[in-house]
Parts: sequence; structure tokens; C-alpha cells
Amino acid sequence: AQTVTQSQPEMSVQEAETVTLSCTYDTSESDYYLFWYKQPPSRQMILVIRQEAYKQQNATENRFSVNFQKAAKSFSLKISDSQLGDAVMYFCAYRSWGRGSQGNLIFGKGTKLSVKP
Amino acid sequence: DAGITQSPRHKVTETGTPVTLRCHQTENHRYMYWYRQDPGHGLRLIHYSYGVKDTDKGEVSDGYSVSRSKTEDFLLTLESATSSQTSVYFCAPRTGRLAGSDVTYEQYFGPGTRLTVT
Repeated sequence: AQTVTQSQPEMSVQEAETVTLSCTYDTSESDYYLFWYKQPPSRQMILVIRQEAYKQQNATENRFSVNFQKAAKSFSLKISDSQLGDAVMYFCAYRSWGRGSQGNLIFGKGTKLSVKP
Repeated sequence: DAGITQSPRHKVTETGTPVTLRCHQTENHRYMYWYRQDPGHGLRLIHYSYGVKDTDKGEVSDGYSVSRSKTEDFLLTLESATSSQTSVYFCAPRTGRLAGSDVTYEQYFGPGTRLTVT
């Protein structure tokens, strides 16, 4: 079974600085998807960024980018120019590729990010 | 997002009572998922559906049942609620979209239902 580990329950960053949130996963599959979601106090889960395992190029969405290291099974999220609105919970998630899978997401336990003004 | 609503948004109920949570989507998605979120556990899959009347169990399905009589509605039922089922419940349809020549599938979540069992 696949597992996702976020080893940092909490992280802190100074406004306008860059922060990296860590995520590692365990799988025997070669094809899969990885995601980062964020969850503000409203509880809404919001997709931040997605990475397909077959793509070597790291995904980027505006100030958010990932460092995907397939061999190391690592998928970290980098937030550049941190803003006060970035101070929410972040979840790393894994999804299998392929018809035989349930297609569900497997989540880490989350990292709470605080941003200091 | 993606036309997903959940009802009720909040509910307090007593141990032993039946509870049904509803997820409604307007975009004809075939796959739908129910997750629960608890502190220290992230989100975990309860049940999912891959079409009308087609459902299957997830990681934490004990004490829950689901039904899907039409595409737009996916119901989660706690037959006899227990305090361990106090949680936040999320519904998430799976959406497909074109990304160049590929189709990518993503899950967009409903707003959640906070359920408290006393």
C-alpha cells in the first residue's frame, strides 16, 4: 500500500521569503500522480499543484513550484515570495495511475504554515 | 468548486441515531469519493462510486454505507452514529480535463460537513 509522509507538522517563514515543505511517499508503482492541496480555515480543500510521475520537469504554478525526485520518492513544495494569505494547512497527496486503481487520493497528515509579517 | 455542494454543512447528533450526508454535483462526473478528515490523520477514503449504483469500500468504511441512485447525488449514511465518527466529511468528484493531448484527472472537494456525535 502507498503511504505519504509529511515530516513537518508546522513550518514558519518570513513574509516575502521562500519556504519549502517536505513530502515523501512510498510506492512500488512506476506511474502515479502527486498533488499539493491547501486548506484555509474555511476547510475548503484547494488544489495547488499537480505532478505526473512520468514527467521529469517540475511543475510550477505562479509562486508555487515542486521539486520532484522520483528515485528518492520526494515531492517538496516551494513557495516563493510568501504572503500572509499563504498561512494555511498544506497536504501532500498521491494517486495511482491506471485503470485498476480506485483513483482515490492518499494524503499526508499535513503541514501548518505560518507567515510572519 | 466544480459545482459541488454538501448538506448539511454542520450537524450535531446523538449516539445511536442514523445520519445521512448528501453530496450533489452538477457536472455529470462519474467518479465520486467520500473522505473523512481527523486531526493527525489527514483525509482518509470512506467509500467511492464509479457510476450509478456502483460503489466500493475505502480504507475506513466500517460503520458507513453509501448510495448513488443518480449521477448527481452521492449519499453517505451512518446507520448508528458513534462518537468516533465525529469528523469533517468531504465529498470529491473526479474531474477530467484536457491538458494538451492528455486527459488529466483531478479531485475537487466540496465545502465539507462538520459532524459531531455526542
